Amino acid sequence: EAQVTQNPRYLITVTGKKLTVTCSQNMNHEYMSWYRQDPGLGLRQIYYSMNVEVTDKGDVPEGYKVSRKEKRNFPLILESPSPNQTSLYFCASSSPQGATEAFFGQGTRLTVV
Amino acid sequence: AQSVTQLDSHVSVSEGTPVLLRCNYSSSYSPSLFWYVQHPNKGLQLLLKYTSAATLVKGINGFEAEFKKSETSFHLTKPSAHMSDAAEYFCVVSGRYKLSFGAGTTVTVRA
Repeated sequence: EAQVTQNPRYLITVTGKKLTVTCSQNMNHEYMSWYRQDPGLGLRQIYYSMNVEVTDKGDVPEGYKVSRKEKRNFPLILESPSPNQTSLYFCASSSPQGATEAFFGQGTRLTVV
Repeated sequence: AQSVTQLDSHVSVSEGTPVLLRCNYSSSYSPSLFWYVQHPNKGLQLLLKYTSAATLVKGINGFEAEFKKSETSFHLTKPSAHMSDAAEYFCVVSGRYKLSFGAGTTVTVRA
């Protein structure tokens, strides 16, 4: 089954404690991206990757890092989380970006206290 | 540059009546447009997509949308709402390296 898998689904952490949200896809997609969803704002892109070792900033990259060492994985790293990063996060993949649809993970609800 | 405006943040309908969700877009390219649905505590599911073929696009669960270039609109409709249609709906335009989402429309269905 084609899918994008995120872990964990729910996470509560404290300010400043580094965390990683994993994302894996089994469709051999070149393109992957991270979004955050906040009420009234829709989804906003954090980072994207066009292929292995190729990443770039989206609209709201501050406070986040990503890496793309393998085609299937695209982890999101928060080096020093802050309360304003409390949000619902989605990973997406597609091949290629544009006319084809994006497949989304189930989401990770992060709370930073 | 690209952007999406969903004209209604909340729509309330009675079960069995039509649903209309309005979306306007702007794009520097010939756009690909999508509607996604998000049920409570769920991920995003593709309802339908427009990719420069027919301007009237049919999707899943009885939804359809019409692309109108002259009006830069891509409104979503369903002839008869069902209780299971209660969800948040996002209009999305695809750019070169990202999807741009509207703010979302929450649909409530009254029995």
